Amino acid sequence: SQTIHQWPATLVQPVGSPLSLECTVEGTSNPNLYWYRQAAGRGLQLLFYSVGIGQISSEVPQNLSASRPQDRQFILSSKKLLLSDSGFYLCAWTKNNSPLHFGNGTRLTVT
Amino acid sequence: QKEVEQDPGPLSVPEGAIVSLNCTYSNSAFQYFMWYRQYSRKGPELLMYTYSSGNKEDGRFTAQVDKSSKYISLFIRDSQPSDSATYLCAMSAPNFNKFYFGSGTKLNVKP
Repeated sequence: SQTIHQWPATLVQPVGSPLSLECTVEGTSNPNLYWYRQAAGRGLQLLFYSVGIGQISSEVPQNLSASRPQDRQFILSSKKLLLSDSGFYLCAWTKNNSPLHFGNGTRLTVT
Repeated sequence: QKEVEQDPGPLSVPEGAIVSLNCTYSNSAFQYFMWYRQYSRKGPELLMYTYSSGNKEDGRFTAQVDKSSKYISLFIRDSQPSDSATYLCAMSAPNFNKFYFGSGTKLNVKP
C-alpha cells in the first residue's frame, strides 16, 4: 500500500530564516505531487504541483519555491521566511485520476 | 464565482442526528467527486470517492452527486461525537492535474 510521509510535524522559525519541508511517498512510482497551505479556519490553497522529476507548476507567486529532486520526493523551500508564511502545510499525492491522499501536515509558525 | 462553493457552518447537531453536507460547483467538466474529513491539526482524510453521477454508500456515510444541478451531498446517519470535524468537498476532471476544494464545513456533534 502507499504511504506519504511529511516532516517535521511542527516548526517555529524566525522571520528571515530559511525553510525546507520534505515529503516522500512510498509504494508507488511517478505520482503527481502537491503542496497546499491552509490558513487557520480557511480552505486549502494550492501552492505547487509536480507531474514528474524536475517539473514544477507554481500556482501562487510568493516567497516559496518547490523542487522534486527524485520521483517520490517533494520539497518546499524558502530563502527568507515572512510572518505571512505561517500556516499549515500539506503535501499530497495522486496517480491516474485517483483521489488526492494527504500527509499529516506541518504546522509552521514564523515569529 | 468560485469553482466550488461550500457553506462553512459551523453546523451543530445532537448525537444520532442525520447530517447533510453540501457543495455546489460551476465546471461541468468535473467527473470525480470526493469528501474529506479533517480533524483539528491533522491532514484531510479521504471519506468518499465517486465518479460521475449517482449515490455511493459506505457504512453510515452516503455520497450523492447530481451533475444536472452541479450539486453534491454527503449524508451522515446516526452521527457520533467522533464525527465532529471539518468536512471538505473536492472535485476534478479526467486528466486535470488540479483538484478544486470547497472551503470546508465545520461539524459539531453534541453528546
